[in-house]
Amino acid sequence: QQQVKQSPQSLIVQKGGISIINCAYENTAFDYFPWYQQFPGKGPALLIAIRPDVSEKKEGRFTISFNKSAKQFSLHIMDSQPGDSATYFCAARLGGNKLTFGGGTRVLVKP
Amino acid sequence: EAGVAQSPRYKIIEKRQSVAFWCNPISGHATLYWYQQILGQGPKLLIQFQNNGVVDDSQLPKDRFSAERLKGVDSTLKIQPAKLEDSAVYLCASSWRLAYEQYFGPGTRLTVT
Repeated sequence: QQQVKQSPQSLIVQKGGISIINCAYENTAFDYFPWYQQFPGKGPALLIAIRPDVSEKKEGRFTISFNKSAKQFSLHIMDSQPGDSATYFCAARLGGNKLTFGGGTRVLVKP
Repeated sequence: EAGVAQSPRYKIIEKRQSVAFWCNPISGHATLYWYQQILGQGPKLLIQFQNNGVVDDSQLPKDRFSAERLKGVDSTLKIQPAKLEDSAVYLCASSWRLAYEQYFGPGTRLTVT
């Protein structure tokens, strides 16, 4: 049973543009929502994370927007760069640090 | 600080054969995780250890998969016998304690023919 739904599956953005990835969840017991970045041949690496009592978190060019009532959250990548080309995964955590991942979004930034 | 180490990086086996993967977590990390990542999907947690005890193995196919973490450090994941649908990348991750950030290794890519 997929508990975290992620969209789109892929997107192409021009250098300097904004990439937006959306995730939705059902289980209100999730208490922490991280985003991971994965390059080919590498393991996922934590990019940014948010707790459900916060509506927005920004770190550099990366921003998470969180809508608790809608059970949705999104990642915005501002001023996208070719080095941002990777696969991005949203995730949601249950107690005990058990992560459930979305299906992933492959982002390609064209120079 | 050295990251999570995994070996081998690649493995090709025939169905019904056995295979084992090894993981060495970041020094001092008490919690260790094994994930299965099928091509085009997100990682799925298979088993979680706290020191050398199992915290969660609810998604581990126990009829063919087994894992151990002797002495609370290194861990091995075994598949016996392998099926075609086991083709995936097997990721190991570790965290200092429960509820802390998980750090992932590079994974082992398994191809079952």
